[in-house]
Amino acid sequence: EAQVTQNPRYLITVTGKKLTVTCSQNMNHEYMSWYRQDPGLGLRQIYYSMNVEVTDKGDVPEGYKVSRKEKRNFPLILESPSPNQTSLYFCASSLGPTGVGEQYFGPGTRLTVT
Amino acid sequence: AQKVTQAQTEISVVEKEDVTLDCVYETRDTTYYLFWYKQPPSGELVFLIRRNSFDEQNEISGRYSWNFQKSTSSFNFTITASQVVDSAVYFCALSVADRGSTLGRLYFGRGTQLTVWP
Repeated sequence: EAQVTQNPRYLITVTGKKLTVTCSQNMNHEYMSWYRQDPGLGLRQIYYSMNVEVTDKGDVPEGYKVSRKEKRNFPLILESPSPNQTSLYFCASSLGPTGVGEQYFGPGTRLTVT
Repeated sequence: AQKVTQAQTEISVVEKEDVTLDCVYETRDTTYYLFWYKQPPSGELVFLIRRNSFDEQNEISGRYSWNFQKSTSSFNFTITASQVVDSAVYFCALSVADRGSTLGRLYFGRGTQLTVWP
């Protein structure tokens, strides 16, 4: 089944404790993105990747890191999480450019930073 | 700068009513794409439609229709004869594709929560 998977689905952590949210797609898609969703703010793009080893910033990259060492994986790294990073995070992938084609979204990761 | 405005935060209708969700966008680029995504209560995000800036033809898909008007920078979404299953948050989004764009950026509006009552 074609899908985007994220792990973990739920995470509660403390300020400053490094964490990684994994994202994997099995559709051989070139483009992948991370978004955060906050009440009243909609979805905001954090980072995106056009291919292996090629990434670029979105609207809200501060406090986040990404890497794309393999085509199928695009982990989101929070080196020192803070409470303002409490949010719902979505990973997405698309065969063509993010801004052109249909994106397939993962189920979301709800992160709480205390 | 690119911007998408969905002025309607919440809309409530009764089943079988028609409802229109507004989307206004801002960009100076001449080549761009517009999208609608649906997020039902279960939380997943589902692609509904994509339009490019050179195609102003309206589109109809079953009970859904989209009206793209460059003159007013709007890309509105109408649900005819709404059903309870249409209850969801709907997001409008914009990307730009003029020279120099990596085509990787996508700008979402803040979403409209549609509730359809039985």
